Amino acid sequence: GESVGLHLPTLSVQEGDNSIINCAYSNSASDYFIWYKQESGKGPQFIIDIRSNMDKRQGQRVTVLLNKTVKHLSLQIAATQPGDSAVYFCAETSTGANSKLTFGKGITLSVRP
Amino acid sequence: DTAVSQTPKYLVTQMGNDKSIKCEQNLGHDTMYWYKQDSKKFLKIMFSYNNKELIINETVPNRFSPKSPDKAHLNLHINSLELGDSAVYFCASSPPDGTEAFFGQGTRLTVV
Repeated sequence: GESVGLHLPTLSVQEGDNSIINCAYSNSASDYFIWYKQESGKGPQFIIDIRSNMDKRQGQRVTVLLNKTVKHLSLQIAATQPGDSAVYFCAETSTGANSKLTFGKGITLSVRP
Repeated sequence: DTAVSQTPKYLVTQMGNDKSIKCEQNLGHDTMYWYKQDSKKFLKIMFSYNNKELIINETVPNRFSPKSPDKAHLNLHINSLELGDSAVYFCASSPPDGTEAFFGQGTRLTVV
């Protein structure tokens, strides 16, 4: 369960609405970015990724946008469902040997029925 | 089939004890990691191993000692546990190019 005093930013959306989750990344040398979803009691799960040579990538109900100029990443979820309720993380890395994923602070998405 | 599995899922122990968390991946990846997630959900890398060799050690206290008997396993041994070690520890693995990391279900360690 979650601890008392948890200060994760929270985004509350109505079921069926679109959600936009934003992330500012820190390393201008990063060339690969991932959005992860973490449900309660589970490990982070891959949602969608994007390489730095792209500015948009679409999946099923999800779209990732990358703005390298301002080091900004966003995740758009279409027709948000109760099952989308979770903590979302953006992660960045420079691909290749000795790479490591650096995670941003999580954002809690809460879907109202 | 579980891709990255770690045991135990929960671990409650007293201060000063020594404990281990085991991790195994069946994805054929060469690179494995340990991450620590604190009470604010912040995920921070601790160690990275590539084909049994330590690649990254993010200034983790030397009470924490990872061991990789083969490239499919990366275990974490913690000596002299402290209250501040309480957290959820995640094992992960990734392909050689460092792209998508696959995570285990986590081990919630509580030190009392």
